[in-house]
Amino acid sequence: NAGVTQTPKFRVLKTGQSMTLLCAQDMNHEYMYWYRQDPGMGLRLIHYSVGEGTTAKGEVPDGYNVSRLKKQNFLLGLESAAPSQTSVYFCASSSGGTNTEAFFGQGTRLTVV
Amino acid sequence: AQSVAQPEDQVNVAEGNPLTVKCTYSVSGNPYLFWYVQYPNRGLQFLLKYITGDNLVKGSYGFEAEFNKSQTSFHLKKPSALVSDSALYFCAVRDKGGDYKLSFGAGTTVTVRA
Repeated sequence: NAGVTQTPKFRVLKTGQSMTLLCAQDMNHEYMYWYRQDPGMGLRLIHYSVGEGTTAKGEVPDGYNVSRLKKQNFLLGLESAAPSQTSVYFCASSSGGTNTEAFFGQGTRLTVV
Repeated sequence: AQSVAQPEDQVNVAEGNPLTVKCTYSVSGNPYLFWYVQYPNRGLQFLLKYITGDNLVKGSYGFEAEFNKSQTSFHLKKPSALVSDSALYFCAVRDKGGDYKLSFGAGTTVTVRA
Protein backbone atom coordinates (compact mmCIF):
# COMPACT_ATOMS: atom_id res chain seq x y z
CA ASN A 1 0.00 0.00 0.00
CA ALA A 2 2.05 2.92 -1.30
CA GLY A 3 -0.34 5.77 -0.38
CA VAL A 4 0.98 9.02 -1.83
CA THR A 5 4.23 8.84 -3.80
CA GLN A 6 6.22 11.85 -4.96
CA THR A 7 8.86 11.83 -7.68
CA PRO A 8 11.66 12.93 -7.50
CA LYS A 9 12.73 13.18 -3.85
CA PHE A 10 15.54 15.65 -4.51
CA ARG A 11 16.37 17.99 -7.35
CA VAL A 12 18.74 20.86 -8.07
CA LEU A 13 17.77 23.25 -10.85
CA LYS A 14 19.47 26.20 -12.42
CA THR A 15 17.53 29.45 -12.60
CA GLY A 16 15.33 29.46 -15.68
CA GLN A 17 15.14 25.68 -16.04
CA SER A 18 11.83 23.87 -16.01
CA MET A 19 10.72 20.70 -14.31
CA THR A 20 7.68 18.67 -13.35
CA LEU A 21 6.99 17.10 -9.99
CA LEU A 22 4.82 14.02 -10.07
CA CYS A 23 2.39 12.96 -7.36
CA ALA A 24 0.64 9.61 -7.53
CA GLN A 25 -1.93 8.21 -5.10
CA ASP A 26 -3.38 4.72 -5.02
CA MET A 27 -6.28 5.38 -2.65
CA ASN A 28 -8.81 6.52 -5.27
CA HIS A 29 -8.99 9.94 -3.60
CA GLU A 30 -10.90 12.75 -5.23
CA TYR A 31 -8.95 15.69 -3.84
CA MET A 32 -5.27 16.37 -4.32
CA TYR A 33 -3.09 19.25 -3.15
CA TRP A 34 0.35 20.71 -3.66
CA TYR A 35 1.98 22.59 -0.78
CA ARG A 36 5.34 24.17 -0.25
CA GLN A 37 7.02 24.20 3.15
CA ASP A 38 9.39 26.97 4.10
CA PRO A 39 10.96 27.57 7.53
CA GLY A 40 8.71 29.59 9.81
CA MET A 41 5.92 29.73 7.25
CA GLY A 42 4.32 26.36 7.63
CA LEU A 43 2.65 24.79 4.62
CA ARG A 44 1.27 27.08 1.96
CA LEU A 45 -1.17 25.80 -0.62
CA ILE A 46 0.00 26.22 -4.21
CA HIS A 47 -2.76 24.53 -6.21
CA TYR A 48 -5.36 21.91 -5.58
CA SER A 49 -7.80 19.69 -7.45
CA VAL A 50 -11.25 18.49 -6.49
CA GLY A 51 -11.42 15.82 -9.17
CA GLU A 52 -10.01 14.54 -12.45
CA GLY A 53 -9.70 17.34 -14.97
CA THR A 54 -10.12 20.14 -12.41
CA THR A 55 -7.58 22.45 -10.82
CA ALA A 56 -7.78 25.57 -8.67
CA LYS A 57 -5.36 28.15 -7.31
CA GLY A 58 -4.28 28.16 -3.70
CA GLU A 59 -2.47 30.84 -1.70
CA VAL A 60 0.78 30.99 -3.68
CA PRO A 61 0.11 29.85 -7.28
CA ASP A 62 2.39 32.26 -9.16
CA GLY A 63 5.19 30.56 -11.07
CA TYR A 64 3.53 27.15 -10.94
CA ASN A 65 1.12 25.22 -13.13
CA VAL A 66 -0.68 21.96 -12.46
CA SER A 67 -2.58 19.28 -14.31
CA ARG A 68 -4.83 16.41 -13.27
CA LEU A 69 -5.41 14.38 -16.39
CA LYS A 70 -5.83 11.14 -14.43
CA LYS A 71 -7.52 10.80 -11.08
CA GLN A 72 -4.49 9.20 -9.46
CA ASN A 73 -1.91 11.74 -10.66
CA PHE A 74 -1.37 15.43 -9.90
CA LEU A 75 1.52 17.15 -11.65
CA LEU A 76 3.18 20.36 -10.52
CA GLY A 77 5.19 22.26 -13.12
CA LEU A 78 7.75 25.00 -12.83
CA GLU A 79 8.16 26.64 -16.23
CA SER A 80 11.09 28.91 -15.35
CA ALA A 81 12.54 28.15 -11.94
CA ALA A 82 13.61 30.98 -9.64
CA PRO A 83 15.67 30.86 -6.42
CA SER A 84 12.52 31.89 -4.51
CA GLN A 85 11.07 28.50 -5.44
CA THR A 86 13.69 26.69 -3.39
CA SER A 87 11.55 24.78 -0.94
CA VAL A 88 10.25 21.41 0.14
CA TYR A 89 7.16 20.45 -1.84
CA PHE A 90 4.49 18.16 -0.47
CA CYS A 91 1.64 16.50 -2.26
CA ALA A 92 -1.43 15.34 -0.38
CA SER A 93 -4.72 13.66 -1.17
CA SER A 94 -8.03 13.13 0.59
CA SER A 95 -11.24 11.29 -0.12
CA GLY A 96 -14.61 12.89 -0.67
CA GLY A 97 -16.03 15.19 1.98
CA THR A 98 -14.60 18.23 3.67
CA ASN A 99 -14.36 16.33 6.96
CA THR A 100 -11.73 13.89 5.75
CA GLU A 101 -8.06 14.07 6.61
CA ALA A 102 -5.35 14.42 4.00
CA PHE A 103 -2.56 11.91 3.40
CA PHE A 104 0.85 13.27 2.56
CA GLY A 105 3.74 12.17 0.41
CA GLN A 106 7.33 12.17 1.63
CA GLY A 107 8.19 15.46 0.00
CA THR A 108 10.47 16.76 -2.76
CA ARG A 109 13.40 18.94 -1.77
CA LEU A 110 14.02 21.40 -4.59
CA THR A 111 16.97 23.77 -4.75
CA VAL A 112 17.15 26.44 -7.43
CA VAL A 113 20.61 27.93 -7.89
CA ALA B 1 -11.07 33.31 4.19
CA GLN B 2 -9.81 30.69 6.60
CA SER B 3 -6.63 30.72 8.63
CA VAL B 4 -4.83 29.06 11.51
CA ALA B 5 -2.50 30.58 14.08
CA GLN B 6 -0.03 28.64 16.20
CA PRO B 7 1.24 31.28 18.61
CA GLU B 8 4.29 29.36 19.83
CA ASP B 9 7.19 28.56 17.54
CA GLN B 10 8.68 26.21 20.09
CA VAL B 11 7.49 24.26 23.12
CA ASN B 12 9.94 22.63 25.49
CA VAL B 13 8.87 20.15 28.15
CA ALA B 14 10.46 17.50 30.33
CA GLU B 15 9.62 13.87 29.71
CA GLY B 16 6.65 12.81 31.80
CA ASN B 17 5.22 16.32 32.01
CA PRO B 18 2.03 17.42 30.25
CA LEU B 19 2.39 18.77 26.74
CA THR B 20 0.16 21.43 25.19
CA VAL B 21 0.45 22.87 21.69
CA LYS B 22 -1.83 25.82 21.01
CA CYS B 23 -3.91 26.51 17.93
CA THR B 24 -6.53 29.12 17.10
CA TYR B 25 -8.51 29.27 13.89
CA SER B 26 -10.66 31.56 11.79
CA VAL B 27 -13.35 30.42 9.35
CA SER B 28 -16.51 32.03 8.07
CA GLY B 29 -18.61 28.98 8.83
CA ASN B 30 -18.14 25.90 10.99
CA PRO B 31 -14.68 24.36 11.13
CA TYR B 32 -13.23 20.98 10.56
CA LEU B 33 -9.95 20.91 12.51
CA PHE B 34 -6.95 18.64 12.20
CA TRP B 35 -3.60 18.02 13.87
CA TYR B 36 -0.60 16.60 12.03
CA VAL B 37 2.92 15.69 13.14
CA GLN B 38 6.10 15.82 11.07
CA TYR B 39 9.28 14.00 11.97
CA PRO B 40 12.58 15.12 10.39
CA ASN B 41 12.78 14.54 6.65
CA ARG B 42 9.33 12.96 6.56
CA GLY B 43 5.89 13.88 5.33
CA LEU B 44 3.06 14.90 7.62
CA GLN B 45 1.21 12.24 9.58
CA PHE B 46 -2.39 12.65 10.69
CA LEU B 47 -2.96 12.66 14.47
CA LEU B 48 -6.61 13.54 15.04
CA LYS B 49 -9.53 15.62 13.85
CA TYR B 50 -12.60 17.42 15.13
CA ILE B 51 -15.70 17.11 12.99
CA THR B 52 -18.66 17.48 15.32
CA GLY B 53 -19.94 16.27 18.67
CA ASP B 54 -17.73 15.81 21.72
CA ASN B 55 -15.35 18.71 22.16
CA LEU B 56 -12.59 16.41 23.41
CA VAL B 57 -11.11 14.38 20.59
CA LYS B 58 -8.74 11.48 21.13
CA GLY B 59 -6.18 10.49 18.54
CA SER B 60 -3.03 8.53 17.85
CA TYR B 61 -0.08 8.03 20.23
CA GLY B 62 -2.00 9.22 23.31
CA PHE B 63 -2.72 12.69 21.95
CA GLU B 64 -5.99 14.49 22.42
CA ALA B 65 -7.33 17.91 21.51
CA GLU B 66 -10.03 20.14 22.90
CA PHE B 67 -12.30 22.14 20.64
CA ASN B 68 -13.49 25.43 22.10
CA LYS B 69 -15.89 27.27 19.83
CA SER B 70 -16.13 30.43 21.91
CA GLN B 71 -12.36 30.84 21.96
CA THR B 72 -11.96 29.47 18.40
CA SER B 73 -9.23 27.20 19.67
CA PHE B 74 -8.18 23.60 19.16
CA HIS B 75 -5.24 22.92 21.47
CA LEU B 76 -3.35 19.63 21.26
CA LYS B 77 -2.53 17.89 24.53
CA LYS B 78 -0.74 14.87 25.88
CA PRO B 79 -0.85 14.09 29.61
CA SER B 80 2.67 12.65 29.78
CA ALA B 81 5.16 13.56 27.05
CA LEU B 82 7.81 11.20 25.69
CA VAL B 83 11.18 12.04 24.15
CA SER B 84 9.87 10.42 20.96
CA ASP B 85 7.13 13.09 20.78
CA SER B 86 9.79 15.61 19.76
CA ALA B 87 8.70 16.77 16.31
CA LEU B 88 7.03 19.56 14.35
CA TYR B 89 3.28 19.85 14.89
CA PHE B 90 0.80 21.48 12.54
CA CYS B 91 -2.79 22.53 13.10
CA ALA B 92 -5.06 22.75 10.04
CA VAL B 93 -8.60 23.94 9.30
CA ARG B 94 -11.16 23.45 6.59
CA ASP B 95 -14.39 25.41 6.35
CA LYS B 96 -17.34 23.01 6.53
CA GLY B 97 -19.36 25.10 4.10
CA GLY B 98 -16.50 26.16 1.90
CA ASP B 99 -14.42 24.54 -0.80
CA TYR B 100 -11.89 21.85 -0.12
CA LYS B 101 -8.89 23.96 0.74
CA LEU B 102 -7.00 22.80 3.82
CA SER B 103 -5.11 25.63 5.53
CA PHE B 104 -2.18 25.05 7.89
CA GLY B 105 -0.57 26.99 10.68
CA ALA B 106 3.14 27.80 10.71
CA GLY B 107 3.92 24.85 12.95
CA THR B 108 5.23 24.39 16.48
CA THR B 109 8.46 22.57 17.23
CA VAL B 110 8.13 20.39 20.30
CA THR B 111 11.22 19.29 22.17
CA VAL B 112 10.86 16.80 25.00
CA ARG B 113 14.00 16.50 27.12
CA ALA B 114 14.88 13.36 29.00
